[in-house]
Amino acid sequence: EVQLLQSGGGLAQPGGSLRLSCTASGFTFSDYAMSWVRQGPGKGLEWVSAISRGSGIGTYYTDSVKGRFIISRDNSKNALYLEMNNLRDDDTAVYFCAKEGPHSPDHFDFWGQGSLVTVSS
Amino acid sequence: EIVMTQSPATLSLSPGERATLSCRASQGIISNLAWYQQRPGQPPRLLIYSASTRATGIPARFRGNGSGTDFTLTISSLQSEDFAVYYCQQYNNWPPGYTFGQGTKLEIK
Repeated sequence: EVQLLQSGGGLAQPGGSLRLSCTASGFTFSDYAMSWVRQGPGKGLEWVSAISRGSGIGTYYTDSVKGRFIISRDNSKNALYLEMNNLRDDDTAVYFCAKEGPHSPDHFDFWGQGSLVTVSS
Repeated sequence: EIVMTQSPATLSLSPGERATLSCRASQGIISNLAWYQQRPGQPPRLLIYSASTRATGIPARFRGNGSGTDFTLTISSLQSEDFAVYYCQQYNNWPPGYTFGQGTKLEIK
């Protein structure tokens, strides 16, 4: 059974930093690209960042987080990370990790439970 | 960037009725479209990918079709658990990134 278990998140001040983690099980983690998707309060889904399969040499970001967020993976730990720096109020959201399908680019076939990030002074 | 537009924003129907949700892409995306269902407090759940292929475990009452720029999700006979928010997502234009529609809320009439 595929599972994505998230940790991290919480409250940060504007300009602060947080790190999200997502630990995968039930599939060969290194074989799949992974993404982070967020959902602001009462809002829709917004793709944030993706990392390619394998070594994760390819990383991609939505414009609003470029230069502030860093996505990474550790295949030895079946883990995906999102380091969030210089946080802004509009980064407040629930962040989901998501596993992509077998092709890249692709749909998201499994999602984590979500991690709440609140940016406030 | 490809913009995904869903309609209607809200759909009010009764259990047993048929629901038709629409999703339009600002440019052609072939069949690289997925549909997700999201219940309150839950992560999204994949329903349909490649515009018309049901994901594992998804009931046959969910049907997707379309290609190019216009897509629909049809739920043939609404069950109580189907009342939720539905999102479409394109994965054709990569990079720069994936885009989602703004969602359709399916509510009980």
